[in-house]
Amino acid sequence: DIQMTQSPSTLSASVGDRVTITCRASQSISSWLAWYQQTPGKAPKLLIYKASILQSGVPSRFSGSGSGTEFTLTISSLQPDDFATYYCLYYNGYPYTFGQGTKLEIK
Amino acid sequence: QVQLVESGGGVVQPGRSLRLSCAASGFTFSSYAVHWVRQAPGKGLEWVAIISYDGGNKHYADSVKGRFTISRDNSKNTVYLQMNSLRAEDTAMYYCVRMRWLDYWGQGTLVTVSS
Repeated sequence: DIQMTQSPSTLSASVGDRVTITCRASQSISSWLAWYQQTPGKAPKLLIYKASILQSGVPSRFSGSGSGTEFTLTISSLQPDDFATYYCLYYNGYPYTFGQGTKLEIK
Repeated sequence: QVQLVESGGGVVQPGRSLRLSCAASGFTFSSYAVHWVRQAPGKGLEWVAIISYDGGNKHYADSVKGRFTISRDNSKNTVYLQMNSLRAEDTAMYYCVRMRWLDYWGQGTLVTVSS
């Protein structure tokens, strides 16, 4: 099975900061990666799929990049609503695998 | 608009069974695969199962294989998750999710396995 490892586990930042979250796959997954945002008590929300395609309605300050085994989610200028937990997901082949999550906290 | 509404959660004793339902609306249900994803309290997300658009293909996480069964009724726009031989570690919020890359999520239904 493919393992997905996110880093860091926790990230402290301020409104207006540029932040990057990394997701590494245990073997090449081409571009079969998605990113989700989850706030407490809510269902996850799709941000990006196929590594870099922005889901409709998601603000353009979110971007994704990478292929193979290393991927990044970048938020160009943090807004108050962005403080949440972020997950990556490998979705080609079974089992699908989530990263363990990155909690983005207010500094 | 796309809606997925889960139901059927509750408190159940270890070893017992429970069936979750996911009612879909706002899209052509019979054209989409549907997943179940769970999240234990305070933990991360875990993919559980997928059923293809026509019900012909199903896949499961190793942690539930042989105990859980996913099915669908396209005439009712509903997906089910039959959960047998429940364990304490199955305690989680269970989400129904549409499409290959999980684009729309329901609000979840909570399953608690406890004696």
